[in-house]
Amino acid sequence: ILNVEQSPQSLHVQEGDSTNFTCSFPSSNFYALHWYRWETAKSPEALFVMTLNGDEKKKGRISATLNTKEGYSYLYIKGSQPEDSATYLCAFGAGSYQLTFGKGTKLSVIP
Amino acid sequence: NAGVMQNPRHLVRRRGQEARLRCSPMKGHSHVYWYRQLPEEGLKFMVYLQKENIIDESGMPKERFSAEFPKEGPSILRIQQVVRGDSAAYFCASSPPGQGRTDTQYFGPGTRLTVL
Repeated sequence: ILNVEQSPQSLHVQEGDSTNFTCSFPSSNFYALHWYRWETAKSPEALFVMTLNGDEKKKGRISATLNTKEGYSYLYIKGSQPEDSATYLCAFGAGSYQLTFGKGTKLSVIP
Repeated sequence: NAGVMQNPRHLVRRRGQEARLRCSPMKGHSHVYWYRQLPEEGLKFMVYLQKENIIDESGMPKERFSAEFPKEGPSILRIQQVVRGDSAAYFCASSPPGQGRTDTQYFGPGTRLTVL
């Protein structure tokens, strides 16, 4: 059974603060690590797909890093804004087409 | 390009009834995935289909659940004789043809099934 852990479970930050959270996944049989942003009552929105150890991806103020050897990925948000409030999901791809998701980190940005 | 569409968004059924959930993938996508989110849980894979073929149904409950993706029309997830434990949010995702296992899966907004 594959286990994907995300921490923290929830996070409150002030507008303008930078923040980061963690996704831990099995280090064996790695194919890809996906990050999604999920606002309530909307579809999960794909942020990044990361496949190579040492990968860094960036989209605006959001960036992510990947360490496949030790089995973790960090998501960073620089200068958080209220519109960044959402649940951030990571998902591990292990060679089949199915993704194994963590439970997410719920971010609340306080104006 | 419209995203992945799911309907209905909310579905209420009584125990013993059937539930049919529909998913229209993004235009040009021929791979469809169904995931389920039980209360307080993460998204769990159920089934992966291509047009007219079930590729991987390792996450599907053995009884009462079935899925199809016909040549024409949406993918259907069917739950027969629903029980209260089937209450969950069911999400569909799609991806384009001919690509590998590292591709982005694009998600729909989900169908929230409530069994009374």
